[in-house]
Amino acid sequence: GAGVSQTPSNKVTEKGKYVELRCDPISGHTALYWYRQSLGQGPEFLIYFQGTGAADDSGLPNDRFFAVRPEGSVSTLKIQRTERGDSAVYLCASSDVGQGAGANVLTFGAGSRLTVL
Amino acid sequence: EDKVVQSPLSLVVHEGDTVTLNCSYEVTNFRSLLWYKQEKKAPTFLFMLTSSGIEKKSGRLSSILDKKELFSILNITATQTGDSAVYLCAVEGDNQGGKLIFGQGTELSVKP
Repeated sequence: GAGVSQTPSNKVTEKGKYVELRCDPISGHTALYWYRQSLGQGPEFLIYFQGTGAADDSGLPNDRFFAVRPEGSVSTLKIQRTERGDSAVYLCASSDVGQGAGANVLTFGAGSRLTVL
Repeated sequence: EDKVVQSPLSLVVHEGDTVTLNCSYEVTNFRSLLWYKQEKKAPTFLFMLTSSGIEKKSGRLSSILDKKELFSILNITATQTGDSAVYLCAVEGDNQGGKLIFGQGTELSVKP
């Protein structure tokens, strides 16, 4: 598509529930990134995909968080047993360069605002 | 640990003023520094800087990098209400695959 698309734009859930957040990157972009942004803070890196594989998942806070990108395009961020502290805006970004290929410019989506009650 | 610190955290000015936003960083094997503008949700790209002393300019916005002192500034001249946003600074280290480390952001409010 023309830009990075994220769905849903807003998600309200109850503590303990499972949520999935979807990201559709710019067509042809091989690199895809998930970030989390809490109120008043800058985006915090979660995970980065180059193609289908997770090249760096060092930012995932714990094993309740998992992300996949099975066909190298759309990605899903999955959060199990949600906690109130998971409430944040989850931003997805994509770029057409990745590991060792030069300085990157990430294009961000509008984000999915997750609220855990 | 890689780190980006921005100052001030917030700033209120009047239309027509000039502002300077600061970004200092520590990163292993620096590759680039980027500035983004965030108005609602999606950060939008402004500048990417890789070399010291070379000013990047776009309209009323300009930015410069000092790799020796490890900082960058973003200048906005003749500010307009449409410049109101959070300005984010981020750095990329070498072999990081595009992983950006962001600062906390500077919230700029331009009053009419």
